[in-house]
Amino acid sequence: DIQMTQSPSTLSAAVGDRVTITCRASQSISSSLAWYQQKPGKAPEVLIYKASSLYSGVPSRFSGSGSGTEFTLTISSLQPEDFATYYCQQYNRYSSGDTFGQGTKLEI
Amino acid sequence: QVQLVESGGAVVQPGRSLRLSCAASGFTFGTYAMHWVRQAPGKGLEWVALISYDGSDKDYAESVKGRFTISRDNSKKTLYLQMNSLRIDDTALYYCARPRCGDCFSDFFDYWGQGTRVTVSS
Repeated sequence: DIQMTQSPSTLSAAVGDRVTITCRASQSISSSLAWYQQKPGKAPEVLIYKASSLYSGVPSRFSGSGSGTEFTLTISSLQPEDFATYYCQQYNRYSSGDTFGQGTKLEI
Repeated sequence: QVQLVESGGAVVQPGRSLRLSCAASGFTFGTYAMHWVRQAPGKGLEWVALISYDGSDKDYAESVKGRFTISRDNSKKTLYLQMNSLRIDDTALYYCARPRCGDCFSDFFDYWGQGTRVTVSS
């Protein structure tokens, strides 16, 4: 089974900061990784897919990197609307263990 | 535009059944695999089930296997989740989600519904 470990669980930052969130898979998932942003009361929205591809309409301050088992999401300069919870998702195999990381709450 | 609208959520007692629906519009529903994802109150996202474009292939999370059944009616552009033997830990907001690639199981979700709430309580 694939285990997805996301860190940190909470991240305190300020507007203008550069922040990085990490996601580790217990086995290789190639580049089958997406990052989502979720705001309270809303459904998740995709930011990054295939580990490093920016989804259409997503600001360029968001970037992703990694392959295999270690991945990162970086926000280059935090904006007020970026304070939310972020999830990584492996889509290499859905029914084999974890699909989503535990989430990272980004707060002021 | 793509829309996914879930319905059917309710408050039910443990051991009872419930069927959720997800009405799709704005895309060719019958050419896409579809998924259910849930989120317990204050918790993270948990993938629940998937179904192929024609309903011939299905897969489930271990936590729901044998109790939940995913199905679809392409003529009605509707996805379903039949939930039997409900447990307190099934309490969650249930989302339907569409993979970007169409009929493939290994892709991310580009569209989500707004969710329907299921509360299992005695």
